Amino acid sequence: AQSVTQPDIHITVSEGASLELRCNYSYGATPYLFWYVQSPGQGLQLLLKYFSGDTLVQGIKGFEAEFKRSQSSFNLRKPSVHWSDAAEYFCAVGDSNYQLIWGAGTKLIIKP
Amino acid sequence: DTAVSQTPKYLVTQMGNDKSIKCEQNLGHDTMYWYKQDSKKFLKIMFSYNNKELIINETVPNRFSPKSPDKAHLNLHINSLELGDSAVYFCASSQAEADTQYFGPGTRLTVL
Repeated sequence: AQSVTQPDIHITVSEGASLELRCNYSYGATPYLFWYVQSPGQGLQLLLKYFSGDTLVQGIKGFEAEFKRSQSSFNLRKPSVHWSDAAEYFCAVGDSNYQLIWGAGTKLIIKP
Repeated sequence: DTAVSQTPKYLVTQMGNDKSIKCEQNLGHDTMYWYKQDSKKFLKIMFSYNNKELIINETVPNRFSPKSPDKAHLNLHINSLELGDSAVYFCASSQAEADTQYFGPGTRLTVL
């Protein structure tokens, strides 16, 4: 069965430091992969997606993610976080029925 | 311009009542979705609706029923509300089933 694992429930990073949020998936075929962000009390906003092609994907707000098939991973990175990046981050994979299978989310806390 | 809108934003009601949540998208998308996000932030697909084809998550109680008067609207009707229905409900839409989903702001339902 397809699944998405975000191993970190929450991560605390100092403002200006680099960030990496982990995402591992279990899926038999080439996956469609997504990262969404949810700010407190808000809906979900797409940060970036991978469908095919270049495995390093650039997104909005300075985020990028790298698809590594050998590791079944799609980790999200940002070189320098800002206080406004504090939010919940969700990784998702699109299955054969085009339904999104969601990870449990990682809450990002920014230390001043 | 609001892409995906939901009303109401907050809904507080008594157990046993029937309520509806409305969703509208002005993106011209063909597919719409309803998700439930529980207190642990876990996102669960409830329905997807494409060209009058409804795909139901079999774990969703039949007290929940989506109604689509036209392509731009997918409303969620809930009968006989229960305490466990308290959650945030998100509507989303996509151009095609495999495409990026755009989310509404969510409706926080509280059942007392």
